Amino acid sequence: EPEVTQTPSHQVTQMGQEVILRCVPISNHLYFYWYRQILGQKVEFLVSFYNNEISEKSEIFDDQFSVERPDGSNFTLKIRSTKLEDSAMYFCASRDRAATYEQYFGPGTRLTVT
Amino acid sequence: GDSVTQMEGPVTLSEEAFLTINCTYTATGYPSLFWYVQYPGEGLQLLLKATKADDKGSNKGFEATYRKETTSFHLEKGSVQVSDSAVYFCALSDSTGFQKLVFGTGTRLLVSP
Repeated sequence: EPEVTQTPSHQVTQMGQEVILRCVPISNHLYFYWYRQILGQKVEFLVSFYNNEISEKSEIFDDQFSVERPDGSNFTLKIRSTKLEDSAMYFCASRDRAATYEQYFGPGTRLTVT
Repeated sequence: GDSVTQMEGPVTLSEEAFLTINCTYTATGYPSLFWYVQYPGEGLQLLLKATKADDKGSNKGFEATYRKETTSFHLEKGSVQVSDSAVYFCALSDSTGFQKLVFGTGTRLLVSP
């Protein structure tokens, strides 16, 4: 069964460093999302991406964040200058055509900022 | 904006007990409703969904009915197992736009033998 994959599973970085989190969505999907979950808290929407551009973003997704689909298969989330409060689990999700409501989630990348 | 409210956990049950996890929502328009499950150390898995009023979603013995009049989508299971121990998230996606998911805070279920 096709699945969403994410790498790395765990990333440790120092405050102020740039990180790139990678996702490979399911191959025929058209809509892509990033969510995050701070430890013990709810899952929060960050950004959605369709047709090679951001379709919606939350207040969390400020200028420090960017997303890209560089090669038609990968979908990346970049944080330019990490802060301690960026420590969280980051989930990628994808969805196929507009009539389908289900988002399929990857296993997540745990980001720890020290 | 849209929001989802879930009952606080943890919910602690003995094996074979009846489970109810309450979920209510606030939304404009006609959202789709979901229950996701997160097992320890894993990502989110879709458990069940309902896309319109009075729809019943079901999977693995779990059920939830989309109740528009009470804006609720309570999760139920007649007989829980130890393997059901996980965190359960209620979520909605709006019927317009790009259908981002709005999650509740999650309810941890602990089932003991």
